[in-house]
Amino acid sequence: AQTVTQSQPEMSVQEAETVTLSCTYDTSENNYYLFWYKQPPSRQMILVIRQEAYKQQNATENRFSVNFQKAAKSFSLKISDSQLGDTAMYFCAFMKHSRNNDMRFGAGTRLTVKP
Amino acid sequence: GAVVSQHPSWVICKSGTSVKIECRSLDFQATTMFWYRQFPKQSLMLMATSNEGSKATYEQGVEKDKFLINHASLTLSTLTVTSAHPEDSSFYICSARGGQGVTEAFFGQGTRLTVV
Repeated sequence: AQTVTQSQPEMSVQEAETVTLSCTYDTSENNYYLFWYKQPPSRQMILVIRQEAYKQQNATENRFSVNFQKAAKSFSLKISDSQLGDTAMYFCAFMKHSRNNDMRFGAGTRLTVKP
Repeated sequence: GAVVSQHPSWVICKSGTSVKIECRSLDFQATTMFWYRQFPKQSLMLMATSNEGSKATYEQGVEKDKFLINHASLTLSTLTVTSAHPEDSSFYICSARGGQGVTEAFFGQGTRLTVV
């Protein structure tokens, strides 16, 4: 079974600063996908960034980037130039590369951006 | 991105009654839908996976007779909480995926269920 671990229950960062959220996972699969989702107070799940395991290049989406270390099974999220609107719960998620497979989530990290 | 609509967004029901939650994919055909439960300040826990036209697959520990899932069409899945009890109070979220090759899941807005 796949497990996703987020070891930082809570983090805070000053506005405009950079913060990194950690995620590790355990799997015997070689092909899979990793995701970071944001859940603001509205509780709507919002996709932040996605990484295909077969791609060596780290994914980036504007201020969000990942550091994907496949051998170490690590998938951290870096948020640059943090904004107040980034305050939310962040979940790391794993999905096997197979049709109709479900997504498994880590415990989440509550990020607070301080003005 | 694709839109998944979940209804109702919140519901209060009395103990012993049943409540139905709908999850609709508005602009794509969802061959697979997933139902999650989220307790306060906790992560999303997968309850079951449903494929259109077939029986749902439940995760270990989830009572299939209590949480009835129906996925009768490519755009609609329903979760019915039967004989609800206060401990069933939670936030329920659905997500939907399209056919082969689609790697992203789209989430509904969630339903807050309170059983009194």
